Amino acid sequence: SQELEQSPQSLIVQEGKNLTINCTSSKTLYGLYWYKQKYGEGLIFLMMLQKGGEEKSHEKITAKLDEKKQQSSLHITASQPSHAGIYLCGADQGNTGKLIFGQGTTLQVKP
Amino acid sequence: EPEVTQTPSHQVTQMGQEVILRCVPISNHLYFYWYRQILGQKVEFLVSFYNNEISEKSEIFDDQFSVERPDGSNFTLKIRSTKLEDSAMYFCASRGTGFLTEAFFGQGTRLTVV
Repeated sequence: SQELEQSPQSLIVQEGKNLTINCTSSKTLYGLYWYKQKYGEGLIFLMMLQKGGEEKSHEKITAKLDEKKQQSSLHITASQPSHAGIYLCGADQGNTGKLIFGQGTTLQVKP
Repeated sequence: EPEVTQTPSHQVTQMGQEVILRCVPISNHLYFYWYRQILGQKVEFLVSFYNNEISEKSEIFDDQFSVERPDGSNFTLKIRSTKLEDSAMYFCASRGTGFLTEAFFGQGTRLTVV
């Protein structure tokens, strides 16, 4: 079965610094999703990628899917305390629309 | 902005008791899901529901679990006889289509079994 591995597991950055979170899949990705979760709360959708080489941006967050569709990265430019949280990558699996998730990357941004 | 609503936000129950977690998915969505997240662990798929029946379930979703869409708007997850290891955050999600679209998640129900 497909597995998603995220790296790093946790990250502490100074406000204003850039950072990258990676998500690697054991199989070809058909739909890759990035979500953000505040501790103890629900998942907030950030972006979806489906085509090899695709890149999307929203405010200071950019997500990319590699050409082979097995790896995605999430890049945050000029991080702010509001970016703190847990970032999850998820992937479509099967034809019932279920998602599988990576283990998450916990981001802390120090003011 | 459409949203998925879950109630209660937190439930404490005694081991062996039945609990029902409730969800109101987005009204024009057709695909419904329950996930759970044990503290500090991955978000895990439990069950998918389409056209008034279960379309897929995970190994976790054993005979103690059931889902229902009783009235066309609510979507419920029932755990018949709770165990300590059922303590987790339970998330409901809905999608307009089966894949390649955003899955909208509720805020979750934190279930604590004592």
